[in-house]
Amino acid sequence: DAGITQSPRHKVTETGTPVTLRCHQTENHRYMYWYRQDPGHGLRLIHYSYGVKDTDKGEVSDGYSVSRSKTEDFLLTLESATSSQTSVYFCAISETGTAYGYTFGSGTRLTVV
Amino acid sequence: EDQVTQSPEALRLQEGESSSLNCSYTVSGLRGLFWYRQDPGKGPEFLFTLYSAGEEKEKERLKATLTKKESFLHITAPKPEDSATYLCAVQRNSGNTPLVFGKGTRLSVIA
Repeated sequence: DAGITQSPRHKVTETGTPVTLRCHQTENHRYMYWYRQDPGHGLRLIHYSYGVKDTDKGEVSDGYSVSRSKTEDFLLTLESATSSQTSVYFCAISETGTAYGYTFGSGTRLTVV
Repeated sequence: EDQVTQSPEALRLQEGESSSLNCSYTVSGLRGLFWYRQDPGKGPEFLFTLYSAGEEKEKERLKATLTKKESFLHITAPKPEDSATYLCAVQRNSGNTPLVFGKGTRLSVIA
């Protein structure tokens, strides 16, 4: 399997608490992405990174922030979790952004109660 | 705005019953169209990339084709292990813009 891991795999948190999800890669790929997947919506882009400290917003970025201080790690933070952020979160990596598309992690299932 | 529409939402086939999944797209300049397979509880797994109209790619019982407006994923003589959700995505021909995904087609193949 490609060297991409997400942690934690499952998390239950309370409304209003901060949450950080981690994506770690060992492939030295330049591009990293955070998507969320919800029934009826498919995969939607939250934020992405095209290099260390270089990030940009996706279509559903409100309520989320990201950081990338090292090539291998891309962190997604929910500053104050809400029930609407209950979802499955997928991280993906890409060397060039083309050709073979992305390699996805196994996902983090987040429940906000 | 780039858009990807997949149909049907769900498809139930008998083992050996061939069919096709559709992916319609609108994008301002297509760099590539991607097909993924996703099993329950797992991340999407890359299947194919198509770049230009008329292109076809095959893998086992799957064949993907591309026109200027849509792509088809043909499944020939499916087996129960082909049951999964199939996702289509497009990338615009502008820098390295992120993939835009459709909502997927959930395929069930019954023995």
